[in-house]
Amino acid sequence: KAGVTQTPRYLIKTRGQQVTLSCSPISGHRSVSWYQQTPGQGLQFLFEYFSETQRNKGNFPGRFSGRQFSNSRSEMNVSTLELGDSALYLCASSQTSGLGRDTQYFGPGTRLTVL
Amino acid sequence: AQSVTQLDSQVPVFEEAPVELRCNYSSSVSVYLFWYVQYPNQGLQLLLKYLSGSTLVKGINGFEAEFNKSQTSFHLRKPSVHISDTAEYFCAVIRSGSARQLTFGSGTQLTVLP
Repeated sequence: KAGVTQTPRYLIKTRGQQVTLSCSPISGHRSVSWYQQTPGQGLQFLFEYFSETQRNKGNFPGRFSGRQFSNSRSEMNVSTLELGDSALYLCASSQTSGLGRDTQYFGPGTRLTVL
Repeated sequence: AQSVTQLDSQVPVFEEAPVELRCNYSSSVSVYLFWYVQYPNQGLQLLLKYLSGSTLVKGINGFEAEFNKSQTSFHLRKPSVHISDTAEYFCAVIRSGSARQLTFGSGTQLTVLP
């Protein structure tokens, strides 16, 4: 089975712009979670989607949003970019939602740099 | 809420020596525990997880971890490390039941020296 794929792998934007990141989960997986990784804050949960519905949301401002499509692919959007949004954005997929015991499989991430 | 503390931010060790990476957690509810590894410019790969049952969990690449409920610890061990084990290691917890949100520790950079 192919793993979790994320596109693009690298992205450079300027302050004030918006960006959309894409994640394709492992085939058959219906839950997609997003995490932000920065040197200062470490790995932080952004949100989780299951069956096109947001199930969980972390403590991030409303500039961060996401959605999930009927084929389980997910996108996250960051509007009005700030320098502090520079990070590695990781997507993880799992088979179900609401079962913590399910393993989350991570993609390689999208490295976003905001200038 | 849960929290995870990884006591060592950097662990240098010589090749073929044993290593232990420490992880402590706090939670008011029962949790599941995970160790992930991250190689440079890559995502996270699951090493092992504790859900229930035997407190000694074996994972990939020769790693194992022991769950200690009384000490709220989940330390990762390997009896003999290789250069290729150089990476960052993250301990994580997730609330058992309905939650899907992984809470990560700050990570431990393991550097294996020749």
